[in-house]
Amino acid sequence: EAGVAQSPRYKIIEKRQSVAFWCNPISGHATLYWYQQILGQGPKLLIQFQNNGVVDDSQLPKDRFSAERLKGVDSTLKIQPAKLEDSAVYLCASSLGQGNSPLHFGNGTRLTVT
Amino acid sequence: LAKTTQPISMDSYEGQEVNITCSHNNIATNDYITWYQQFPSQGPRFIIQGYKTKVTNEVASLFIPADRKSSTLSLPRVSLSDTAVYYCLVGDLYNQGGKLIFGQGTELSVKP
Repeated sequence: EAGVAQSPRYKIIEKRQSVAFWCNPISGHATLYWYQQILGQGPKLLIQFQNNGVVDDSQLPKDRFSAERLKGVDSTLKIQPAKLEDSAVYLCASSLGQGNSPLHFGNGTRLTVT
Repeated sequence: LAKTTQPISMDSYEGQEVNITCSHNNIATNDYITWYQQFPSQGPRFIIQGYKTKVTNEVASLFIPADRKSSTLSLPRVSLSDTAVYYCLVGDLYNQGGKLIFGQGTELSVKP
């Protein structure tokens, strides 16, 4: 099966600019996650979708971050305006969302804010 | 949410068996234990998952004692390619996929 696709692979922007990341989960996976991974740390959950509804966004900095999952398939994560501390890898993951199905991760988008 | 504690780093040599222990003292009844492996510039990859006793697949074994307050990931005869960060996660996967929280992970270094 095709894996989780993310783009772009790398992005460099200046602080206060905006940026968007795209994720295409594995076909049929109902649950989609966005994680932020700062260098040297474990991934931190930003938002979790079940189909096109938000299950958990308690860790999402809503003053600058937004995410949507239209039609319950692809998802975009946006940062506006970006700060230096947003420099990280943004990982998208998906799962069947049933029983004990594991998460499948994409390879992430590495964001550098200068 | 159950918090996990793992060693920050471990060293091993090729051909050895490696055991990485994770502590999760406040694990809940519905929580499963899942281990992921992450290589540089890649997303985490699922290794193994269990609820109690022992689980084995083609990659690793997972040992869970009766009280479930810890678990041990066992990698038999490691090779250089097993050098990676290993994460132990605890969560209720039946709850709409669960809210899986990553800790800092264990950085395993395999030497020739």
